[in-house]
This record gives sequence, structure tokens and C-alpha cells, in this order.
Amino acid sequence: EPEVTQTPSHQVTQMGQEVILRCVPISNHLYFYWYRQILGQKVEFLVSFYNNEISEKSEIFDDQFSVERPDGSNFTLKIRSTKLEDSAMYFCASTGDRENYQETQYFGPGTRLLVL
Amino acid sequence: AQKITQTQPGMFVQEKEAVTLDCTYDTSDQSYGLFWYKQPSSGEMIFLIYQGSYDEQNATEGRYSLNFQKARKSANLVISASQLGDSAMYFCAMRGMDSSYKLIFGSGTRLLVRP
Repeated sequence: EPEVTQTPSHQVTQMGQEVILRCVPISNHLYFYWYRQILGQKVEFLVSFYNNEISEKSEIFDDQFSVERPDGSNFTLKIRSTKLEDSAMYFCASTGDRENYQETQYFGPGTRLLVL
Repeated sequence: AQKITQTQPGMFVQEKEAVTLDCTYDTSDQSYGLFWYKQPSSGEMIFLIYQGSYDEQNATEGRYSLNFQKARKSANLVISASQLGDSAMYFCAMRGMDSSYKLIFGSGTRLLVRP
């Protein structure tokens, strides 16, 4: 069964460092998302991406964040200068048909980011 | 604005019994989708069940069913014949018809199944 994959599973970084979180969405999906879950809290939407551009971003997704689909299979989230409060689980999700609201978003296993 | 409310931070259920996890939602969209995801202690988000706003029948997937009451704006998850492996966080989520079709999540319910 196709699945969304994410690397790395865990990342520890120093405050101020850049991190890149990688995702490989399901191959025939067209719509991609990043979500964040701070420990013990609910899952929050960060950004959606379609047709090689951002379709919507939340207020969390400030200038320190960027997304890219560099090669047609990978989907990356970059945090330029990490802050302590960026420590969270980051989930990538993809879905095939945005117009069909029945289409489920499939989540990757997540990357647990710890900023020291 | 869309909102999902899960009022039960934690629930206990005896193994083999049924349990209902509550979810209410608020939206001005006419068309929307309601989802339940399971998050075990390992952290991944596992899709369980979907209900569309125009679906007349309640959704069922194996031991999971969704008690959808549109007028009350509720979409409760029912797990029948609970198993120890059902112990996890459960999140209710909604997708509306905005530009990105993003999911809005509730705060979750932690379910513990007792042997």
C-alpha cells in the first residue's frame, strides 16, 4: 500500500541552525501539506502546496519557513533559523484530489524536531 | 471560521466493550468532510474513518463507526469491542471548502483500554 515517508525520524539541532525536513508523498498525489504538533497539543496546519506553489499558509508559517518540491518526488520544509519553540513533531501529508472533499489526507510518520 | 471541539481529554474503557468519543464542529461551509485519526504512542497519524456532510448514512469501517448528527453538528466516533491496541490519542478533524482544503483538528481524546 502506498505511503507517505519522512526523513529523518528525529532531528536534534542547536538554536539558530537551519534544518530541512524531507517528505516523499504518495506518488500520484498532487496536494501536499505540512502540519506541526507541539508535544501534548493538537495538530496545527502550517502550509499547503499545489502546482509548485503555496496555496495557503498559517500565521505560524512565517519568513523562517519555506517549502519546496525540488525534484517531483520530494517535498521539503526548511526552517532557516530554528527557535526553541520550533521543537515539535512535523507531519507531512498528501492527498490526490483536492476537489473531491472525500479524499483522505494521508500522513507520514512524522519528524520529531528538538531545538536546544 | 471552522472549529473542532473534543471535550473528553481522557477516557477509559474495559476491553471488549464499546466506547464513544465525542466531537462537535462549527463551520459555515455547506460541504465539508469529517475525519477521525488515531495517534498511538509511537506518534504516527493513522486515518480511521471519514464522513461527508452530504452522506445520509453513517460511515462504518470495521469496528469503527461514526455517529453523524448534522443538525447537532456532532460526529462522534464509536469503537466497538475495544482492544488493548486501541489505547491511543484520537483526533477529530474537519476539512472545509477553503482554498487549500486543510484539516482543522480538535484537541484530541486519550483512550485507555483496560484489560
